[in-house]
Amino acid sequence: DGGITQSPKYLFRKEGQNVTLSCEQNLNHDAMYWYRQDPGQGLRLIYYSQIVNDFQKGDIAEGYSVSREKKESFPLTVTSAQKNPTAFYLCASSTPRAGRDYEQYFGPGTRLTVT
Amino acid sequence: AQKVTQAQTEISVVEKEDVTLDCVYETRDTTYYLFWYKQPPSGELVFLIRRNSFDEQNEISGRYSWNFQKSTSSFNFTITASQVVDSAVYFCALSVGGYQKVTFGTGTKLQVIP
Repeated sequence: DGGITQSPKYLFRKEGQNVTLSCEQNLNHDAMYWYRQDPGQGLRLIYYSQIVNDFQKGDIAEGYSVSREKKESFPLTVTSAQKNPTAFYLCASSTPRAGRDYEQYFGPGTRLTVT
Repeated sequence: AQKVTQAQTEISVVEKEDVTLDCVYETRDTTYYLFWYKQPPSGELVFLIRRNSFDEQNEISGRYSWNFQKSTSSFNFTITASQVVDSAVYFCALSVGGYQKVTFGTGTKLQVIP
């Protein structure tokens, strides 16, 4: 089955530590995205990537970093510079062309708790 | 700037009732896409529908229907004969100027009581 996998489902870290969230897709989508979701709020875009080895900052990129070395993978690192990292993180992918695949498909999410 | 407003934070209905989730959007662009997603308790967002700005036809899919009205900048979602499995958070979203610029509303939490 094609889809997006995120691991782990739950992640706990101590303040001051960097942590990397995994996102893998086998949908052959060119574009991938990272969103952050806080309770009672919508999704906010952190980073997105349209092609391999290229990515752009979203609305709340400070304190985060990404890489896109493979089409299938788009890991997100939450650095110690992120002031409030505890949140639910969602990865998504899409095919950048008009038509049926214009919408984004989401992974199951990773819930990060930093104490 | 784009904006999506979902004024209903939480809605509770009794099973088999109809329910409408409101979505109002703001954009100055004439070409845009609107989406609805469902987020069940498991957390994963599930795509429900996409509508472009040039297609104002309403759509029905089983118990789900969508009413797109450009005159009022609304894209409302109706669930007919609601079921407990419909309990989730529903997000309306707007995409302008490219697929990466998606603005999400804050979501409406729907609880269907048996």
